Amino acid sequence: QSVLTQPPSVSGAPGQRVTISCSGSSSNIGAGYDVHWYQQLPGIAPKLLIFNNNNRPSGVPDRFSGSRSGTSASLAITGLQAEDEADYYCQSYDNNLTGSSVFGTGTRVTVL
Amino acid sequence: DVQLVESGGGLVQPGGSLRLSCAASGFDVYDSYMGWVRQAPGKGLQWVSIIYSGGLTNHAASLKGRFTISRDNSKNMVFLQMSSLTTEDTAVYYCARVRNQGDTEYFQDWGQGTLVSVSS
Repeated sequence: QSVLTQPPSVSGAPGQRVTISCSGSSSNIGAGYDVHWYQQLPGIAPKLLIFNNNNRPSGVPDRFSGSRSGTSASLAITGLQAEDEADYYCQSYDNNLTGSSVFGTGTRVTVL
Repeated sequence: DVQLVESGGGLVQPGGSLRLSCAASGFDVYDSYMGWVRQAPGKGLQWVSIIYSGGLTNHAASLKGRFTISRDNSKNMVFLQMSSLTTEDTAVYYCARVRNQGDTEYFQDWGQGTLVSVSS
């Protein structure tokens, strides 16, 4: 049971903008902890997409952007492309849990 | 280039044990944070364990002490020793290089994963 909640699915036509929310609480995102995002294409390992809320690793297109506000974070994909069809996960830290990282429930992006 | 290659997965009976290995190249594990993340079939990602550069370790509380992460600096490898396995441990296990810039850690580089199936 994840403490970070994402919509199960979002969809959009090629070229459109879609956003994925990551809803947390005062013990994780609301406590000011950074949020990171991963893309998982079908059948392969996840890939880091955004780190520290809004930073892109080298090689990630600037169509992907992240933001954080209050107890939530968002990932935006602008100019949606067929190759963006994948699962997306947010990740942060929760200070109520003995351990460190927590992942979101995951969102499947479908390109119509 | 950074590369992580997991091995050691397979079929194990409930109550059994298994040791996963992760061979790293392109960087030194002794100088890095390393972690394991798992993904049950058709499910999301779950953080499992982390070993810090200083040697300290941490594990998800839900594992109830059944898993232990370790490393061998001479071989540049990381391991996950799993015991008292149940069917709920069936998953693909990913090894990852962990980075820390700020107040949280994130998983920068990932291996291809190794499948662990727990079944009688």
